Amino acid sequence: GDSVTQMEGPVTLSEEAFLTINCTYTATGYPSLFWYVQYPGEGLQLLLKATKADDKGSNKGFEATYRKETTSFHLEKGSVQVSDSAVYFCALSEPTDKLIFGTGTRLQVFP
Amino acid sequence: SAVISQKPSRDICQRGTSLTIQCQVDSQVTMMFWYRQQPGQSLTLIATANQGSEATYESGFVIDKFPISRPNLTFSTLTVSNMSPEDSSIYLCSVEGTGETQYFGPGTRLLVL
Repeated sequence: GDSVTQMEGPVTLSEEAFLTINCTYTATGYPSLFWYVQYPGEGLQLLLKATKADDKGSNKGFEATYRKETTSFHLEKGSVQVSDSAVYFCALSEPTDKLIFGTGTRLQVFP
Repeated sequence: SAVISQKPSRDICQRGTSLTIQCQVDSQVTMMFWYRQQPGQSLTLIATANQGSEATYESGFVIDKFPISRPNLTFSTLTVSNMSPEDSSIYLCSVEGTGETQYFGPGTRLLVL
């Protein structure tokens, strides 16, 4: 079945450092891809999404490009802030509208 | 995007009891979803709830343990029955948005003693 694999965390960075969180997927069709973020004590919020190959999703300085050739959707940000500390989930949507989530990657940003 | 609320936000329950979690959305939606997030884990879909039909459960989840109601297009409940400590999790509801996006509620944090 479809699946999502994320790099394990925690990822620990200093403020203003460059962030990459790797995400690869396995799917039989052409899913949409998502990044969700979960801040401490809160539910999930949609961060960005891409619906087809070569699309780039972006929001709040975060970017991810849908790479069909490498089945990847890596999350990047050029300069992280302490307020970006959260758990980030990569996900894909199946044709039945189900979301398949990766295991999540905890990001810790220190001043 | 939809605004989703859940009640209760957290609870501590004794084993063997049941808890009903409510999910309210500010607009009419066809599909609602219930997820479980065990401590330090990712989200696992429990079931999909469409208004006017029986909920569809994922492998490993059964109606007797997690009965779901969906009385109208803005509301759903999930009951966690005959609880054990293994049921301690965050339970989240979500609703479908546009373009296969889902919007999530804040979650219900359940601790079973």
